[in-house]
Amino acid sequence: NAGVTQTPKFRILKIGQSMTLQCAQDMNHNYMYWYRQDPGMGLKLIYYSVGAGITDKGEVPNGYNVSRSTTEDFPLRLELAAPSQTSVYFCASSYSNRGDYNEQFFGPGTRLTVL
Amino acid sequence: SQKIEQNSEALNIQEGKTATLTCNYTNYSPAYLQWYRQDPGRGPVFLLLIRENEKEKRKERLKVTFDTTLKQSLFHITASQPADSATYLCALDSPGNTPLVFGKGTRLSVIA
Repeated sequence: NAGVTQTPKFRILKIGQSMTLQCAQDMNHNYMYWYRQDPGMGLKLIYYSVGAGITDKGEVPNGYNVSRSTTEDFPLRLELAAPSQTSVYFCASSYSNRGDYNEQFFGPGTRLTVL
Repeated sequence: SQKIEQNSEALNIQEGKTATLTCNYTNYSPAYLQWYRQDPGRGPVFLLLIRENEKEKRKERLKVTFDTTLKQSLFHITASQPADSATYLCALDSPGNTPLVFGKGTRLSVIA
């Protein structure tokens, strides 16, 4: 199993550009998450999904969009990149969102810089 | 408002000693608490989960306690090694169906 994979690893964007961060998991997990991590600030939840076709906002959704057309894939879209979106983005998945099976499996991250 | 605090941003400890990291929370009643390890440039990796009705859980050199009265979890690494140097994050279940909430983490450095 590859686990959770993310592409690209690094990206530099100009202000106003758009891009999609890709995330895929091969563990047949229903739950998937997008976080951003700024230095010293911990993980902030952007969006999450409880299954194909169902998404919900997290703590910091502004400036981002998501879709979940399959169980495996959960792309994150940045429409008009701003310097405030410079961060490291992590995708994660879990079997459940409660109880013993809600440990999250993280991808390797995408480091995004907006100039 | 709900809050998770992990003690000091950084903790330095001598090799062979026991490292103790703290996770305090307010305005929560989590049923579960988890600990993760994060190495520089990598995603967090799950270490341990403890339930509210468990006082203590162990895994090799790791020990976690969960005191719902004090609203605190302690994470211990015994016989610490330089390879244990990393950032350690605690995470709590939130009410309802919302996902885990993570603390900011504590950066542990084990000095040889």
